[in-house]
This record gives sequence, C-alpha cells and structure tokens, in this order.
Amino acid sequence: DAGVTQSPTHLIKTRGQQVTLRCSPKSGHDTVSWYQQALGQGPQFIFQYYEEEERQRGNFPDRFSGHQFPNYSSELNVNALLLGDSALYLCASSLISEQYFGPGTRLTVT
Amino acid sequence: GDSVTQMEGPVTLSEEAFLTINCTYTATGYPSLFWYVQYPGEGLQLLLKATKADDKGSNKGFEATYRKETTSFHLEKGSVQVSDSAVYFCALSDRGAAGNKLTFGGGTRVLVKP
Repeated sequence: DAGVTQSPTHLIKTRGQQVTLRCSPKSGHDTVSWYQQALGQGPQFIFQYYEEEERQRGNFPDRFSGHQFPNYSSELNVNALLLGDSALYLCASSLISEQYFGPGTRLTVT
Repeated sequence: GDSVTQMEGPVTLSEEAFLTINCTYTATGYPSLFWYVQYPGEGLQLLLKATKADDKGSNKGFEATYRKETTSFHLEKGSVQVSDSAVYFCALSDRGAAGNKLTFGGGTRVLVKP
C-alpha cells in the first residue's frame, strides 16, 4: 500500500515565477491538506481539500491556490514567488482524523 | 486562535537517559492532541495521539497523557536510543471545526549520543 507521494522532490525557481506541486494521497483517503515548513520551524497549515472543494484555509495570501481532482490527488500552486516562499511543502492525506504525511517538496526561490 | 507551545531545543542526551519534552496548548474547542516525529530529510510520522482528557497515547516506548486541567501533553521516554535522534512536534486538531487541520508547535530537536 503506497503512502502519500509528492512530486517533485526538489525544485529551484526564480523570484516572480510560478510553481505547481503535486500530491497523491494514501489509498482510500479522500482529504488532502497542504503545509509549509520553513527551515527550523513547525509546519504551517495552508489549506485543505475535500470533495474537490477548499474546506479550510490558513493565513496565506491568494498567491497560494490549490485544486483537488476526482481521484483525490491534489496540486498546490504558488504565483509570483517570493524569497520567503522557500520552504519544505508537505502534503498530508486523511480519511477521518489521522493525517499521514508525504516526504515533502523542497522549494528554493532565488 | 489555537496555538501550541513546546520547549525549545536542542535537547542533548546520553543513550538510556530519560527524555521529557514539554508541550502546552491553547484551543477554543476540545482538541485531539498528537506528537509527530521528523527524521533528517524526511516528512512527518505520527508517533502517538490522544483524543480526550486523561487518555494516554503510547508508541515505541514513548508516552504522553492528555491533561485538560493543565492544557498539556508532555512527551516522555524512559530510555532513549541513538535512533531516537530527530525533531519532535506537538500538534492539535480542533475536532469541532469542519475539517481537521493541524496546528503545530515549533518543534524540539533531540540529539542522543552513544
């Protein structure tokens, strides 16, 4: 049983560019959440998708947007990248309560 | 809003020493509480959880008890190993809200020396 998978593993982008990160949830899970983890800090909640709709959103600007597909996989899009967007982006999937995390995508903005 | 505060690290211990990591929380609702562990270069793994007052979560020798009166969920292990070196995160989820977003503390790095 495959766990949560994310792609790509690493990404380097230039300030002002746009980026798309992808997540496939654990088999049987219908809810996907995205978190941003800056170096040396705890993860911060970005948003959560359920039934292809954004169900909850954290304190992130509109530059951060997402999508969930009918197969429950999800994308995180970030527009107009800033240096401060450099972080590890974690995807987590769940069915009812417990969230299972993927290995993350390391985004570096130069 | 909800928040989690945990002791800052790094915490450096010798093998077989006793480990305690303090965690306190503030929540408007009645949260579920979690400890996650992050090994170098990896994502987060759920270590243990508790969903109601006085519940004790346990896994791999680690334990934590949900203390509603002191709003705490301290992590303990009686005898640590080198392989326990990692960053530990305390987190809560407000079960009353639609959705189950996690609110994390800042993390505590633990280094166990042989």
